[in-house]
Amino acid sequence: DVKVTQSSRYLVKRTGEKVFLECVQDMDHENMFWYRQDPGLGLRLIYFSYDVKMKEKGDIPEGYSVSREKKERFSLILESASTNQTSMYLCASSPSPGELFFGEGSRLTVL
Amino acid sequence: AQSVTQLDSQVPVFEEAPVELRCNYSSSVSVYLFWYVQYPNQGLQLLLKYLSGSTLVKGINGFEAEFNKSQTSFHLRKPSVHISDTAEYFCAVGPYDKVIFGPGTSLSVIP
Repeated sequence: DVKVTQSSRYLVKRTGEKVFLECVQDMDHENMFWYRQDPGLGLRLIYFSYDVKMKEKGDIPEGYSVSREKKERFSLILESASTNQTSMYLCASSPSPGELFFGEGSRLTVL
Repeated sequence: AQSVTQLDSQVPVFEEAPVELRCNYSSSVSVYLFWYVQYPNQGLQLLLKYLSGSTLVKGINGFEAEFNKSQTSFHLRKPSVHISDTAEYFCAVGPYDKVIFGPGTSLSVIP
């Protein structure tokens, strides 16, 4: 079975803290994605990666960075968390056009 | 640029009744179209996809969708819904690297 694992389901952080969200896939997919999900806005693409050490900006990259040192792992980093980054964060990997396999999500609250 | 509109934010329907969830898209290039479902407290999973070929696409759990190029629509249908279909449904459009999601439609099945 396909598996995308996000390290934390729920996190609470303070404004200004550095936040790491980890995502691991066990399917040997080259493509991985980070989305944020907000009510009424659907999913918005933050960053994606085609391969190890490669990254591309999505629609809302401001305030975020990513790291892909190994094929199976794609990390999202919030250098200095702000309250407007309170959201659900979804990681996905993809074997073929548009077919995304999602993790269960990480709900981040920034106080 | 591509965009996705889901005309109904909430759709209540009685159990065993038919349902249609509407999706319209805009794109200047050939598109791939998708429907994803998100059950409560879970990540998204692919329901069905249109890449090319037959405009009527069948997916999991008895759902189907029809691609209409002239109306730029990709509406999702099910002839008889079950309580377990209660979920959030997302229409999405894209080429390979940037799948754009609509805001979602919350389907509530009433016993």
